Amino acid sequence: QKEVEQDPGPLSVPEGAIVSLNCTYSNSAFQYFMWYRQYSRKGPELLMYTYSSGNKEDGRFTAQVDKSSKYISLFIRDSQPSDSATYLCAMRDGGSQGNLIFGKGTKLSVKP
Amino acid sequence: DTAVSQTPKYLVTQMGNDKSIKCEQNLGHDTMYWYKQDSKKFLKIMFSYNNKELIINETVPNRFSPKSPDKAHLNLHINSLELGDSAVYFCASSHSIDTQYFGPGTRLTVL
Repeated sequence: QKEVEQDPGPLSVPEGAIVSLNCTYSNSAFQYFMWYRQYSRKGPELLMYTYSSGNKEDGRFTAQVDKSSKYISLFIRDSQPSDSATYLCAMRDGGSQGNLIFGKGTKLSVKP
Repeated sequence: DTAVSQTPKYLVTQMGNDKSIKCEQNLGHDTMYWYKQDSKKFLKIMFSYNNKELIINETVPNRFSPKSPDKAHLNLHINSLELGDSAVYFCASSHSIDTQYFGPGTRLTVL
């Protein structure tokens, strides 16, 4: 079993839809959870950063972490064509190295 | 202002050649990284480096070596390039183990 599992999609939704992106993981030592957005031929950019379990909201984006289920989610409300990108979950433990373990990314397409 | 920059953006070369990719960050970060993203978009850590230690992912062939002339730069040298080295290589930096900021990537094609 890979450390981080993420459905690669592709996922296609109409503009205005609510999008749900998810990752599961196996390492219970993970404490820091991130979502990165990567546009085509660009580097990943940090979208959301959460520590431990709970919810975090930033504009149209909400990140949820359920450590008991080893499951994280990213919700996008009122999705826009500009949200079309690949979304990568990433996580790390609380150790000193800080190396991120990434999911494979979910490719999202929001159709006008 | 570009926070993390890489050169070149594209690199096409023949098998067996030696090449380097440069990375610079102007964020004042103390830790830098190299990642490899394969054709399936899977992003995997290769190295992390700060002024104290170099952490090498054990799966990385020793043909790959990072070189850091100073805290703002971490270059990637690749010897005896192979077809399987074709990928996009991303540099990233962070303050300690905090949020990582990525460069735009270098698309390497080995013919």
